[in-house]
Amino acid sequence: NAGVTQTPKFQVLKTGQSMTLQCAQDMNHNSMYWYRQDPGMGLRLIYYSASEGTTDKGEVPNGYNVSRLNKREFSLRLESAAPSQTSVYFCASTRGISYNEQFFGPGTRLTVL
Amino acid sequence: AQTVTQSQPEMSVQEAETVTLSCTYDTSESDYYLFWYKQPPSRQMILVIRQEAYKQQNATENRFSVNFQKAAKSFSLKISDSQLGDAAMYFCAYRSETSYDKVIFGPGTSLSVIP
Repeated sequence: NAGVTQTPKFQVLKTGQSMTLQCAQDMNHNSMYWYRQDPGMGLRLIYYSASEGTTDKGEVPNGYNVSRLNKREFSLRLESAAPSQTSVYFCASTRGISYNEQFFGPGTRLTVL
Repeated sequence: AQTVTQSQPEMSVQEAETVTLSCTYDTSESDYYLFWYKQPPSRQMILVIRQEAYKQQNATENRFSVNFQKAAKSFSLKISDSQLGDAAMYFCAYRSETSYDKVIFGPGTSLSVIP
């Protein structure tokens, strides 16, 4: 039982490049989330998926797109990376409506030059 | 909109001593959940303790306990018998009963443990 996995762990991009961050969970959770973590700001929600087939914007969605490929996988895409997107990205999952905690992946450190 | 504030960017504690991390939040809702997460240098986010707002009793998990003051909208974390492994960033988080898909995190408190 791996929990929540994320790939890659580190990535360096040039401005304007695109990339996809992958996230998968093996806990049969319904809801999945993408956060970014910046110094002094805690975690901010980018997008979430309450259940398979649905996605919704969070607090900071601009510049990102997501895909809930199936129940297990939730990817985050940067179409044209900008230096302001330099951050640590976390994926998380929960059982669903009545949950007690979010389970987090190990994070991806992204640098945009 | 809900907000979560952690007024102590950095704290330190002597090993085996007790430390309290502060958290305040703003909400107009009556039912919600509060959490403390720990993030060690490995970056992995780990749930430390949770509190349901409808429960008057303060949550306790081994050396970790909270002081939940609903009227004051305060949710502090007490770590007793501090250990070197407690050194980490600690985040306070809020989740409303209705917006179950969203969790609001505070900016974090960096805790150092002095041997």
